Amino acid sequence: NAGVTQTPKFRILKIGQSMTLQCAQDMNHNYMYWYRQDPGMGLKLIYYSVGAGITDKGEVPNGYNVSRSTTEDFPLRLELAAPSQTSVYFCASSRSGANNEQFFGPGTRLTVL
Amino acid sequence: RKEVEQDPGPFNVPEGATVAFNCTYSNSASQSFFWYRQDCRKEPKLLMSVYSSGNEDGRFTAQLNRASQYISLLIRDSKLSDSATYLCVVGATSGTYKYIFGTGTRLKVLA
Repeated sequence: NAGVTQTPKFRILKIGQSMTLQCAQDMNHNYMYWYRQDPGMGLKLIYYSVGAGITDKGEVPNGYNVSRSTTEDFPLRLELAAPSQTSVYFCASSRSGANNEQFFGPGTRLTVL
Repeated sequence: RKEVEQDPGPFNVPEGATVAFNCTYSNSASQSFFWYRQDCRKEPKLLMSVYSSGNEDGRFTAQLNRASQYISLLIRDSKLSDSATYLCVVGATSGTYKYIFGTGTRLKVLA
């Protein structure tokens, strides 16, 4: 199993550009999450999904959108990138709710200039 | 008050030392507790879940104190390879599917 995969690993965007961060898992997990981690800070939840077709906002959803058309994929869309979105983005999945281990992808380092 | 609080450290300890970290949480209804390890510029990885009865995995021991709302992690016989940031993670209450992350405690084990 590949676990949780994320692409790209690194990206530099200009202000106002858009992009999609890809996330996929092959563990048949229902629950998937997007976090951002700023230097010296804890992980902040952006969006999460409890199954295909079901998504909900986390703590910091502004400027982002998600979709979950399949169990495996959970892309994160950034529209109109801003310098405040410079961060490391982690995708994670878990078998069921918050009583279970989360598995993380390797992260995407995004810089917005 | 933050939902999950940790001392950021760094804790600088010599090889072979015993070191302990605490983490406090604010929601008494929290149901699940974890310690994750995060190496520099890498993703977090589960170190251990924390059960009410406490649990041990080799040199690592985790405890939960519900009355005082904290969890602890004890590392015995520290190795250089234990140098990392240790994240305290609390599963939110039933009805949601969210985890709350502490900002992490940095550990440096010195030769």
